[in-house]
Amino acid sequence: EPEVTQTPSHQVTQMGQEVILRCVPISNHLYFYWYRQILGQKVEFLVSFYNNEISEKSEIFDDQFSVERPDGSNFTLKIRSTKLEDSAMYFCASSVGGGLNQPQHFGDGTRLSIL
Amino acid sequence: KQEVTQIPAALSVPEGENLVLNCSFTDSAIYNLQWFRQDPGKGLTSLLLIQSSQREQTSGRLNASLDKSSGRSTLYIAASQPGDSATYLCAAQGGNKLVFGAGTILRVKS
Repeated sequence: EPEVTQTPSHQVTQMGQEVILRCVPISNHLYFYWYRQILGQKVEFLVSFYNNEISEKSEIFDDQFSVERPDGSNFTLKIRSTKLEDSAMYFCASSVGGGLNQPQHFGDGTRLSIL
Repeated sequence: KQEVTQIPAALSVPEGENLVLNCSFTDSAIYNLQWFRQDPGKGLTSLLLIQSSQREQTSGRLNASLDKSSGRSTLYIAASQPGDSATYLCAAQGGNKLVFGAGTILRVKS
């Protein structure tokens, strides 16, 4: 069964550094998402992306975050100038379409640790 | 703003029991209600998706129901097994985003 793959599985970064999290969505999917889960808390929506632009973003997704689809297969989340509170598990997801009856399929996540 | 609540927070049952996990949401204007399983340190595995116009969906020993008017969904697990031990999350979808509950941690004892 096709999967969403995320790399790396664990990223350790010094506070203030830039980090790029990578995702390969399922190949025929057109909608892409990033979520995060701080340890012990709920999974939170960050951003959705369709047709090479952001379609929706949360208030968490401020100017330090950006997303990009640099080629036909990868989908990246960049965090500029990381803070301690950015430490979390980051999940990428994709779906065939948006909205009704379109399940989102998740990767195994990247655990980001900011020191 | 959509809020999703799951009860109980944790549940421990002996193998073979049938069990019900509950999910409630505050805004009934949803597209779908999706149930996930999360194993420790792992990603989210989609179990069932119920469209807003549907009442229930079944997959194997799992049955999920949706009552949009009352803002409730339940996940029924029949004949539970130790391999069912995991955290179960429900998520309500409005627009493009999923809003998640905190999950129910299920432990099935052999």
